[in-house]
Amino acid sequence: KAGVTQTPRYLIKTRGQQVTLSCSPISGHRSVSWYQQTPGQGLQFLFEYFSETQRNKGNFPGRFSGRQFSNSRSEMNVSTLELGDSALYLCASTFRQGAYEQYFGPGTRLTVT
Amino acid sequence: GQNIDQPTEMTATEGAIVQINCTYQTSGFNGLFWYQQHAGEAPTFLSYNVLDGLEEKGRFSSFLSRSKGYSYLLLKELQMKDSASYLCAALNDYKLSFGAGTTVTVRA
Repeated sequence: KAGVTQTPRYLIKTRGQQVTLSCSPISGHRSVSWYQQTPGQGLQFLFEYFSETQRNKGNFPGRFSGRQFSNSRSEMNVSTLELGDSALYLCASTFRQGAYEQYFGPGTRLTVT
Repeated sequence: GQNIDQPTEMTATEGAIVQINCTYQTSGFNGLFWYQQHAGEAPTFLSYNVLDGLEEKGRFSSFLSRSKGYSYLLLKELQMKDSASYLCAALNDYKLSFGAGTTVTVRA
């Protein structure tokens, strides 16, 4: 069974731009969660989608948004990028809602200059 | 909210045992996870505890005490490949809150 895939793997953007990251969960998994990982803050929960609906949201500003499609693929968008948004963005999938045995993708490394 | 504490670094020799402690304070609690993350890679699931007690899985064991808000991950017969960051995460209302991670270095 193929694992969680994320595209792109690396991205460089400038301040003020927007970015869209993509995540394809493991086949049959319906829940996708997004995390931001930085050296200073560690892994922080962004949001979770299940059956195309956002079920949970972390403490991030409205510039961070996401969506899920009917095939469970998910995208997250960050608008008006700031230098502090430079991070590794990880998505994780699981069969059902909730953060049980989550399977993480390799992440997208975003650098904002 | 959640407050999850774990040591920043630990060093041990090959073949030894290391115990990584994790304390948490959370307004609601549905379980405790441990993940392993090698440098430059994604976290991988190690264990999940929801009831008090010890869960053993090969060389790795995880313990939970809900009343004390305490968990530990025990790594036995350490191997060089166990050098990694170990993340403790508390589940609350379907949200996972992670600790900062403990970097374990295994020396020959």
